[in-house]
Amino acid sequence: GNSVTQMEGPVTLSEEAFLTINCTYTATGYPSLFWYVQYPGEGLQLLLKATKADDKGSNKGFEATYRKETTSFHLEKGSVQVSDSAVYFCALSDGTSYDKVIFGPGTSLSVIP
Amino acid sequence: NAGVMQNPRHLVRRRGQEARLRCSPMKGHSHVYWYRQLPEEGLKFMVYLQKENIIDESGMPKERFSAEFPKEGPSILRIQQVVRGDSAAYFCASSPPDGETQYFGPGTRLLVL
Repeated sequence: GNSVTQMEGPVTLSEEAFLTINCTYTATGYPSLFWYVQYPGEGLQLLLKATKADDKGSNKGFEATYRKETTSFHLEKGSVQVSDSAVYFCALSDGTSYDKVIFGPGTSLSVIP
Repeated sequence: NAGVMQNPRHLVRRRGQEARLRCSPMKGHSHVYWYRQLPEEGLKFMVYLQKENIIDESGMPKERFSAEFPKEGPSILRIQQVVRGDSAAYFCASSPPDGETQYFGPGTRLLVL
């Protein structure tokens, strides 16, 4: 079945460091890929998405490129801030007649000053 | 345009009681999804509903859990005879009829004593 795997956390970085959170997926067909962010005590917010191979999603300095050949959608940011501390979820929509989003387990990021 | 609304935000119940969680989708959205997030885990799909119809309930426990999305009013996730293992954050998401992106509410955090 479809699934999403993320690097395990927690990840702790200093402010202005480079961030990479790895995400790989298993899916039949042509899924859409998403990154969601969950700040403490809040719900999930869509951070970025990509709907087809080689698409790059970007938002708030974060980027991820849909790599079909490696079935990956790694999240990157060149310079993290303390306010980026949150849990990040990679997800896919399996593109069936409805869109049931399958989430990875989440990666907790802490950015320290 | 208000986002997805969930209430209550926090709910405390004793074992054996009933829990009712409400979700009002974004304006114009006719698809509602419920997810459960156990402590330190990712989100797990529970059920997908459209107005007056359950489309997919493959993630719902077979007993004690039910969901509805009536023609008028919010979607309701109902948990009968709660047990401590039901303690979790329950998130609702909605999407428009032709959209694959889901927008999440802030969640209801259920604590069973």
